[in-house]
Amino acid sequence: AQSVTQLGSHVSVSEGALVLLRCNYSSSVPPYLFWYVQYPNQGLQLLLKYTSAATLVKGINGFEAEFKKSETSFHLTKPSAHMSDAAEYFCAVTGGSSASKIIFGSGTRLSIRP
Amino acid sequence: ETGVTQSPTHLIKTRGQQVTLRCSSQSGHNTVSWYQQALGQGPQFIFQYYREEENGRGNFPPRFSGLQFPNYSSELNVNALELDDSALYLCASSTRQGNTEAFFGQGTRLTVV
Repeated sequence: AQSVTQLGSHVSVSEGALVLLRCNYSSSVPPYLFWYVQYPNQGLQLLLKYTSAATLVKGINGFEAEFKKSETSFHLTKPSAHMSDAAEYFCAVTGGSSASKIIFGSGTRLSIRP
Repeated sequence: ETGVTQSPTHLIKTRGQQVTLRCSSQSGHNTVSWYQQALGQGPQFIFQYYREEENGRGNFPPRFSGLQFPNYSSELNVNALELDDSALYLCASSTRQGNTEAFFGQGTRLTVV
């Protein structure tokens, strides 16, 4: 079975500071990993995805994530936070026997302090 | 804009009633998946349809059912609504079963009273 664990349900950073959202995955087959962002009362927008190509994945809005197999991690980072980054972020996994579904973490709410 | 549209955007139903939610997939996509997102939680997979056939189901009771039409649009039907069915229902479309290119709609907010 596949799963993802997001460490920290709420992260608060100052504007201009580094953003780090943590995600660890569990998978018995090579995974496809995603980060999605959700703004209030909206659907999910794909930030970036890992599909077994380059381990450092660059996404939209200046976000990137690094796939580390040895640590089973896929943490999301952004060098400098902007007020518009305030949202809910979900790490997700699919692949193998779970290929018909995407399995989401419980989410991390990112707040940005002025 | 993703091209995945869901209707209605908001809905209020009474416990015990039935509801139908609709999803139009992005052009060129033949796979539609439905997810339930309760308040403060991540989305949970309900089921997926590929070329009009159910292709995987999550841990949801049979009163959750679906359809996919020849134009690849889809419906989610929920019978005998319960208060715990109150959630945001998300539809995602993709080009194949692997979900590597899944795009989500804005969702339907269902409130059961």
